[in-house]
Amino acid sequence: GNSVTQMEGPVTLSEEAFLTINCTYTATGYPSLFWYVQYPGEGLQLLLKATKADDKGSNKGFEATYRKETTSFHLEKGSVQVSDSAVYFCAHTGGGNKLTFGTGTQLKVEL
Amino acid sequence: EAGVTQFPSHSVIEKGQTVTLRCDPISGHDNLYWYRRVMGKEIKFLLHFVKESKQDESGMPNNRFLAERTGGTYSTLKVQPAELEDSGVYFCASSHRVSGSSGDTQYFGPGTRLTVL
Repeated sequence: GNSVTQMEGPVTLSEEAFLTINCTYTATGYPSLFWYVQYPGEGLQLLLKATKADDKGSNKGFEATYRKETTSFHLEKGSVQVSDSAVYFCAHTGGGNKLTFGTGTQLKVEL
Repeated sequence: EAGVTQFPSHSVIEKGQTVTLRCDPISGHDNLYWYRRVMGKEIKFLLHFVKESKQDESGMPNNRFLAERTGGTYSTLKVQPAELEDSGVYFCASSHRVSGSSGDTQYFGPGTRLTVL
């Protein structure tokens, strides 16, 4: 079936630390992969996406590479800021157009 | 360009009552989706409209949930009668292309937080 597994949080980092949030997926067909972010008190926003194998999505210093061989789409950022504190959701469209989400990873960045 | 809007932002009702949630998609977006997140778990798909037609309603949990999109513009999701397990955050999303490519970006609203007491 279709599913997304992402690392459990909460993740607490110091400002300027390196961030990795792991995400692996199972999907039928050829899914597109997404990272969404939910800042406190706000709705979901698309952070980045990749639509085919080996594509790299990037935005606001965040990157993720579509790895078909490992069925992964890990999110990385070289230097996090306090303003990056949010909940991050990995998702795919392996079952057609609907999104299948992971459980979300809460990130807290401290000074 | 206005984003996806949802109303109300919060709703607190008692078990057995009826609640109707509304979603206004981005103007011109033919695809409209409903999702919900229950108890901090993963966000789950409920259903997908293409214009006024239900394309996929495989995620609707039971017949207490009724979604409509008359005229292909805004959509409503009615829960009748509400149960305790219906509590959660209900998100609406929309995307542009009629063909509904799996790579199309879905734009989400802020969600409606429903609490059933």
